[in-house]
Amino acid sequence: SQQGEEDPQALSIQEGENATMNCSYKTSINNLQWYRQNSGRGLVHLILIRSNEREKHSGRLRVTLDTSKKSSSLLITASRAADTASYFCATDGGSNYKLTFGKGTLLTVNP
Amino acid sequence: ETGVTQTPRHLVMGMTNKKSLKCEQHLGHNAMYWYKQSAKKPLELMFVYNFKEQTENNSVPSRFSPECPNSSHLFLHLHTLQPEDSALYLCASSPNAGASYEQYFGPGTRLTVT
Repeated sequence: SQQGEEDPQALSIQEGENATMNCSYKTSINNLQWYRQNSGRGLVHLILIRSNEREKHSGRLRVTLDTSKKSSSLLITASRAADTASYFCATDGGSNYKLTFGKGTLLTVNP
Repeated sequence: ETGVTQTPRHLVMGMTNKKSLKCEQHLGHNAMYWYKQSAKKPLELMFVYNFKEQTENNSVPSRFSPECPNSSHLFLHLHTLQPEDSALYLCASSPNAGASYEQYFGPGTRLTVT
C-alpha cells in the first residue's frame, strides 16, 4: 500500500512566495527523501532526512521531520518560476531495499 | 544531467511487438532500478538489481523481462504488452541497493502501447 502521501495535491503561488508541502506516512521509517520532477522527466533527489533528525536545509529548501506525527514538510523559500514541478516524498517503511513514493504535489510558481 | 541515460526516449509499439528499453549509468553505482510511472498513480518499483543480481521483483507480469549484464547497464525487454502498460518507465541507480541511498534517475522512456 502507499506509504507516503503528499498534501496538497496541487499548489499555485506567485514568484517570491514560500511554498510548503507536507507528507504523511503510516509505518515507522529509517529515513525519508524528497524528490522533484519536472514535467515528463526523471526525478531529481533533493534531501534525505534520517529518523533521528528533525530538520535539514539545502539552499532555499528546508525539510522537517516529526516521527511522532509520522509527517514531514518541505519548505521552498523565495520561490521562482523554475521551481514549478511535482514534488514527491519517499519513505523506506522500515524496508531495506524499497523506497515507496507518494502521488506528489504539483507546484506551480507564477511569474 | 544526472549521469543516467535512457534510450529510446519515446516508444510506440503494438501489442504483438517485442522491444527493449536501455538504461546506462556513468556513476559507478552498484544498484539499478526500474520504475513505472502512470498518470495519477504513485511511482511503482518494478525491479531492483544489486551487483548484477536481482534483489526485488515487485510482482511484475512476465511480459516485462529485465536484464542486467553488468552494474552499468540495465535493460527491460517488452513483449505482448497491453494498452494499460502505457506509461513513463524510469531507470534509477544508487551506490548500493537500499532505501537509505539517494537515487539518481534517468529522463525516462515514454511508452505507448497501441
